[in-house]
Amino acid sequence: AQRVTQPEKLLSVFKGAPVELKCNYSYSGSPELFWYVQYSRQRLQLLLRHISRESIKGFTADLNKGETSFHLKKPFAQEEDSAMYYCAPSPSYDKVIFGPGTSLSVIP
Amino acid sequence: EAQVTQNPRYLITVTGKKLTVTCSQNMNHEYMSWYRQDPGLGLRQIYYSMNVEVTDKGDVPEGYKVSRKEKRNFPLILESPSPNQTSLYFCASSLLRLTGELFFGEGSRLTVL
Repeated sequence: AQRVTQPEKLLSVFKGAPVELKCNYSYSGSPELFWYVQYSRQRLQLLLRHISRESIKGFTADLNKGETSFHLKKPFAQEEDSAMYYCAPSPSYDKVIFGPGTSLSVIP
Repeated sequence: EAQVTQNPRYLITVTGKKLTVTCSQNMNHEYMSWYRQDPGLGLRQIYYSMNVEVTDKGDVPEGYKVSRKEKRNFPLILESPSPNQTSLYFCASSLLRLTGELFFGEGSRLTVL
């Protein structure tokens, strides 16, 4: 079955430490890949998309087609990065699937 | 301001009492979708619509109905709510074919007693 997994429900890191939020997917073909973020008491918003190959707020995400992974990384975590992060593959133009999410807590 | 607006934001109701959660977007997006968010399960798609009068089931459509009579509105209807529909609901819209980015509403927290 097509699915997306984020193995860590909760992730705590100290401010200034590197952070990696894992995402694995099992869709065939080449789905478009996104990361969405939800800060406390705010609506979900797009963080970054693979096709843009951009860095947003210091975050990058590398696609590993062999492992079918799209992990989100940041070299130095900041307190304002504390949020809920969702990996979201889009296997077709009319569908975006959300993973279960990882709650990131950055400890001052 | 470009946005997706949901109402009500909070609602407590009782089993069997029909309710509608409205969703409106002012970005002329063709694609609209409803999700429910539950702890540990992430966001699961309920229904989506590619355009006016075109709707399709998502992953968890049971107990819900939708309609798309106008491009800007996509209401979610619970004909006979049950406690397992207690959840946080999000509406989203997109120019999905072009950009893939979903724009979300602020969410509607529904409690069914």
